[in-house]
Amino acid sequence: DSGVTQTPKHLITATGQRVTLRCSPRSGDLSVYWYQQSLDQGLQFLIQYYNGEERAKGNILERFSAQQFPDLHSELNLSSLELGDSALYFCASSPNPPGSSYNEQFFGPGTRLTVL
Amino acid sequence: QQQVKQSPQSLIVQKGGISIINCAYENTAFDYFPWYQQFPGKGPALLIAIRPDVSEKKEGRFTISFNKSAKQFSLHIMDSQPGDSATYFCAALYSGGGADGLTFGKGTHLIIQP
Repeated sequence: DSGVTQTPKHLITATGQRVTLRCSPRSGDLSVYWYQQSLDQGLQFLIQYYNGEERAKGNILERFSAQQFPDLHSELNLSSLELGDSALYFCASSPNPPGSSYNEQFFGPGTRLTVL
Repeated sequence: QQQVKQSPQSLIVQKGGISIINCAYENTAFDYFPWYQQFPGKGPALLIAIRPDVSEKKEGRFTISFNKSAKQFSLHIMDSQPGDSATYFCAALYSGGGADGLTFGKGTHLIIQP
């Protein structure tokens, strides 16, 4: 158990809908990352937050957005869902500030999103 | 453009043998190289990581070998056990940019036969 929690575990929804995925980082970790894992694209970095501020964007679609709240939990919002958005979505947290020599990222168990 | 290339895609090793997974990277700015282990239905778990100022790092049965000039690094699992059967991902990161999203390889599905 990494100490990172994600809810829900599974989510089934229809095309065009909007969903919110939630992540609670490990106690004390200020950095939160979101990743998408799919069979064709593999594991892809979406977005990074540090202490409430967005630090970097990866391959995140404009239909997707995220935020990190004062209590450090984070939410990933996916809207206008398409069949191709079906994937595993992982949250990771790190005790290391951005730019550290070692960037240990600890992954949560993921949310499996199925878009029908 | 695939910045981190991982091979093989799948690997079968006998119990007690050595499992070797290779990765090659293109971006010479990468300076942090972790390996992750993922079991079905679980999130990736950090196994071991290395920076390019050393050529090898060992933790228990797991060793990373790093070749900066060839832009390659590999994971060696000594005395492989059935419990090591999982998918392994190499990754890379440039720590100096202030943005720490990992770039992952496509993964290697490892099966250890008893």
